[in-house]
Amino acid sequence: AQKITQTQPGMFVQEKEAVTLDCTYDTSDPSYGLFWYKQPSSGEMIFLIYQGSYDQQNATEGRYSLNFQKARKSANLVISASQLGDSAMYFCARGSNYQLIWGAGTKLIIKP
Amino acid sequence: DAGITQSPRHKVTETGTPVTLRCHQTENHRYMYWYRQDPGHGLRLIHYSYGVKDTDKGEVSDGYSVSRSKTEDFLLTLESATSSQTSVYFCAIGLGETSTDTQYFGPGTRLTVL
Repeated sequence: AQKITQTQPGMFVQEKEAVTLDCTYDTSDPSYGLFWYKQPSSGEMIFLIYQGSYDQQNATEGRYSLNFQKARKSANLVISASQLGDSAMYFCARGSNYQLIWGAGTKLIIKP
Repeated sequence: DAGITQSPRHKVTETGTPVTLRCHQTENHRYMYWYRQDPGHGLRLIHYSYGVKDTDKGEVSDGYSVSRSKTEDFLLTLESATSSQTSVYFCAIGLGETSTDTQYFGPGTRLTVL
């Protein structure tokens, strides 16, 4: 199965520090998209950032950036200057044909 | 706000009863999806739709059926609910015309099967 691996089940980070959430994927598709979503304790699934496999530059959206290393099949999420409101589950997903394939998630807790 | 609503938001039912969950979008997006989320897992695709009356199975489709008679509504039915179907169900829409465009999610439905 072509799967997504998020190796960090949980992370604690001090407020205002940068944090990197790891994501590796397995695919034989020549073209695909990579996505990160945030799920706070309230339960909604919030889209954060997208990276296309042919994009030359790493995607950025405000404090979020995606460190895309295609040869390594790695798509790590970087959050700069973390805030208390960043505490949540974070999911990496890869687009494949008609669906998104999801990792198991990383629980991020920001400490004041 | 992608204009996605799900109903009901919470439901408790008994084993063997039929259950229908509704997903409604306010815009005419072609792709709609049903996922389930269980502890320790990311989301898993149940069924998806690529147009009115056009649906297909996902990874975990056994025990579920879907219907899409209007662009804006995508229904998920559990014909005879089982305890293993206790989960949080998310509906999503794909914003683009391809199946791997960004998906936006509804608020979720928490279903408990006793």
